[in-house]
Amino acid sequence: DIQMTQSPSSLSASVGDRVTITCQASQDISNYLNWYQQKPGKAPKLLIYDASNLETGVPSRFSGSGSGTDFTFTISSLQPEDIATYYCQHYHNLPRTFGQGTRVEIK
Amino acid sequence: QVQLQESGPGLVKPSQTLSLTCTVSGGSIRSDGYYWSWIRQHPGKGLEWIGYIYYSGSTYYNPSLKSRVTMSVDTSKNQFSLKLSSVTAADTAVYYCARERLIVDTAMVFYFDYWGQGTLVTVSS
Repeated sequence: DIQMTQSPSSLSASVGDRVTITCQASQDISNYLNWYQQKPGKAPKLLIYDASNLETGVPSRFSGSGSGTDFTFTISSLQPEDIATYYCQHYHNLPRTFGQGTRVEIK
Repeated sequence: QVQLQESGPGLVKPSQTLSLTCTVSGGSIRSDGYYWSWIRQHPGKGLEWIGYIYYSGSTYYNPSLKSRVTMSVDTSKNQFSLKLSSVTAADTAVYYCARERLIVDTAMVFYFDYWGQGTLVTVSS
């Protein structure tokens, strides 16, 4: 199985701050990576697919980049409604695996 | 708007079989390019992909659970189901059904675009 490692596991930032989360795959996954947002008690929501493509309806402050084994997820200006846990997920092969998640809090 | 809804017992005894059904509305489960998946989340933990079933009945199960998992599909009811046998407390989790969409462009792109709300299944005597 491909292991997905996110860092940090949690972070605290102020409203308006730029927030960056990294995701590292245990092997080359090209750009076969998605990012999800999960709010407490809710199902995950797709934000970014194919490493850098913004899902329809998702605010443009969210972005993704990277390829191979190293990926980055960025919130350009943190908003109060962005408080959530963020997960990366590969689709290079089966089984699908997710990163362990990054909890984002407001300072 | 596609909607998925999980249903099934919230409490299962150890060694018994967990059974859940996902009802799909707003779209046909028979559509090409969609893989109907189960994903679980242990309390306070990350996401674990259990497997998927295609409307044709073809399946792929996570090797970590393969010996205990069975998925089925009922296209007449627009439903798909999960059975997990010989459960233990370690199977206590929120179980989600989700649709994995395939887009074929310059490459094959897959992503989970619709999810059920999730259902908590507790394994306890």
